[in-house]
Amino acid sequence: EAQVTQNPRYLITVTGKKLTVTCSQNMNHEYMSWYRQDPGLGLRQIYYSMNVEVTDKGDVPEGYKVSRKEKRNFPLILESPSPNQTSLYFCASSPGTYPDNQPQHFGDGTRLSIL
Amino acid sequence: QQPVQSPQAVILREGEDAVINCSSSKALYSVHWYRQKHGEAPVFLMILLKGGEQKGHEKISASFNEKKQQSSLYLTASQLSYSGTYFCGTPSQNFVFGPGTRLSVLP
Repeated sequence: EAQVTQNPRYLITVTGKKLTVTCSQNMNHEYMSWYRQDPGLGLRQIYYSMNVEVTDKGDVPEGYKVSRKEKRNFPLILESPSPNQTSLYFCASSPGTYPDNQPQHFGDGTRLSIL
Repeated sequence: QQPVQSPQAVILREGEDAVINCSSSKALYSVHWYRQKHGEAPVFLMILLKGGEQKGHEKISASFNEKKQQSSLYLTASQLSYSGTYFCGTPSQNFVFGPGTRLSVLP
């Protein structure tokens, strides 16, 4: 089944403890992206990648890191998480190098709570 | 710059119609529409690529006016399954979504 898989689905952790949220897609998509969703603000892009080894900042990149060493994987790294990064996170992928005329397929989301 | 959506929320009875608007202060080259049900991931509805283009999905259709930098989503004869939050999005330097419109369809 074609899908975007995120892990973990839920995580409660403490300030400053490094964490990684994994994202993997099995559709051979070029484009991958991370969004955070907060009430009233919609989906805001954190980072995106148009191809292997190519990443760029979205609207809210502060406090996050990403890497794209393989086409299928796009992990989100919080090196020193803080409470303001408590949010619902979505990974998405799209067939082309940029989703200007193609849809994005979303993972099921990761609910992250940082105490 | 995030697109603006209106209304923020709307409540309908089954069978009623609704319109959700999306506008931007920057030029729009394409507009994407997604629906997100509570507790689930956003799901793609449609993309409008050309000015004036209209597309349809079930009884949901949309228009795109390039000159006015706006798009509208039309939900006709709404069904209970249409409940959710609708987001418009557009490719810019990066991809930006609007804040969403919460639609509730009541029996």
